[in-house]
Amino acid sequence: GAVVSQHPSRVICKSGTSVKIECRSLDFQATTMFWYRQFPKQSLMLMATSNEGSKATYEQGVEKDKFLINHASLTLSTLTVTSAHPEDSSFYICSARGREGSPLHFGNGTRLTVT
Amino acid sequence: EDQVTQSPEALRLQEGESSSLNCSYTVSGLRGLFWYRQDPGKGPEFLFTLYSAGEEKEKERLKATLTKKESFLHITAPKPEDSATYLCAVQAQRGRGSTLGRLYFGRGTQLTVWP
Repeated sequence: GAVVSQHPSRVICKSGTSVKIECRSLDFQATTMFWYRQFPKQSLMLMATSNEGSKATYEQGVEKDKFLINHASLTLSTLTVTSAHPEDSSFYICSARGREGSPLHFGNGTRLTVT
Repeated sequence: EDQVTQSPEALRLQEGESSSLNCSYTVSGLRGLFWYRQDPGKGPEFLFTLYSAGEEKEKERLKATLTKKESFLHITAPKPEDSATYLCAVQAQRGRGSTLGRLYFGRGTQLTVWP
């Protein structure tokens, strides 16, 4: 089945630094990838839609200058949390879909802790 | 506004005690309803896609059904390894301003099966 790989799985950084999270589709090409954020016991909240070769589409309330998304190829999207603060600590999950109509497949998430 | 509501929020079952999880939705034209399983600290794992009312899908001890307003995930004779959070998500027909492929997630049902 479709596999989405996300790295790192855990990262701890100091306040003010930037962190990059990678999301790769391993056995299919993904023209669109999605980035979610999840708080404990809460639903997945869509942050942005990453489109290969074009600018990402951000959801209302998500700061595009803080959460930089780059979709450089059909198999790789990156999320960079810039100037991280403790309130950015969360579980970030990416997902990707292969062909139209196929289900979304998710990475295993990245637990970000900002100290 | 498109919404997905899951109930109960948490469910504790004894091993072998069958039950059902509910996902009710309001969406302007359902394109697909998805069930995922999420283990702690992991990304969601795809289980089923349902497209039209009356459709049913089965996988081991799980069976998903769909009506025009809700979906049920039936768990027959559950085992402790079925313990997880089960997420329901819907994809709406693409409309003005909507993001292609966007899923709307419920908050999930946290299932605990004890021996």
